[in-house]
Amino acid sequence: EPEVTQTPSHQVTQMGQEVILRCVPISNHLYFYWYRQILGQKVEFLVSFYNNEISEKSEIFDDQFSVERPDGSNFTLKIRSTKLEDSAMYFCASSARPGQGGTGELFFGEGSRLTVL
Amino acid sequence: LAKTTQPISMDSYEGQEVNITCSHNNIATNDYITWYQQFPSQGPRFIIQGYKTKVTNEVASLFIPADRKSSTLSLPRVSLSDTAVYYCLVSYMEYGNKLVFGAGTILRVKS
Repeated sequence: EPEVTQTPSHQVTQMGQEVILRCVPISNHLYFYWYRQILGQKVEFLVSFYNNEISEKSEIFDDQFSVERPDGSNFTLKIRSTKLEDSAMYFCASSARPGQGGTGELFFGEGSRLTVL
Repeated sequence: LAKTTQPISMDSYEGQEVNITCSHNNIATNDYITWYQQFPSQGPRFIIQGYKTKVTNEVASLFIPADRKSSTLSLPRVSLSDTAVYYCLVSYMEYGNKLVFGAGTILRVKS
């Protein structure tokens, strides 16, 4: 069964450092998403991406964050100047169609745990 | 986006049928109802989706009454491995739109 893969599974970084989280979506999918989940809290939407541009972003996704699909297979989330409160599990997801309504099932990766010290 | 309300937690025993009800009073005409499952330290996983009446797949059934203001996820004969958080989401198909997760229902299955 095709799956979304994420690397690294766990990253520890110092406050103020830049982090890049990588995702390989399912190959024929067109819509890509990043979510995050702070320990013990709910899954929060960060950004959706389609046709090489951001479709929608949440208030969490400020100038500190950026996304990119550099080579047609990887989908990356960059966090500049990390803060303690960025510590969370970051999930990448993809779908063949819009992730809504009667046609769009989101497939999530296993997540990348980010710990900011 | 329609707001959803579901129980914070539920307990069950192995072999029982579990029904988790979700209220979504403000559901719109184009909205679909989708349920996801999440195990600790894993990404959410799609369970089932429906628009009205009843939908069944190999793992669950989804019951949606005519007014669509609520829905019930039914898990037949649960096992210990069904212990997870279950999310009810209401959304409609739109280009690049986001999927918004609520707090979910923590289901604990005991032996």
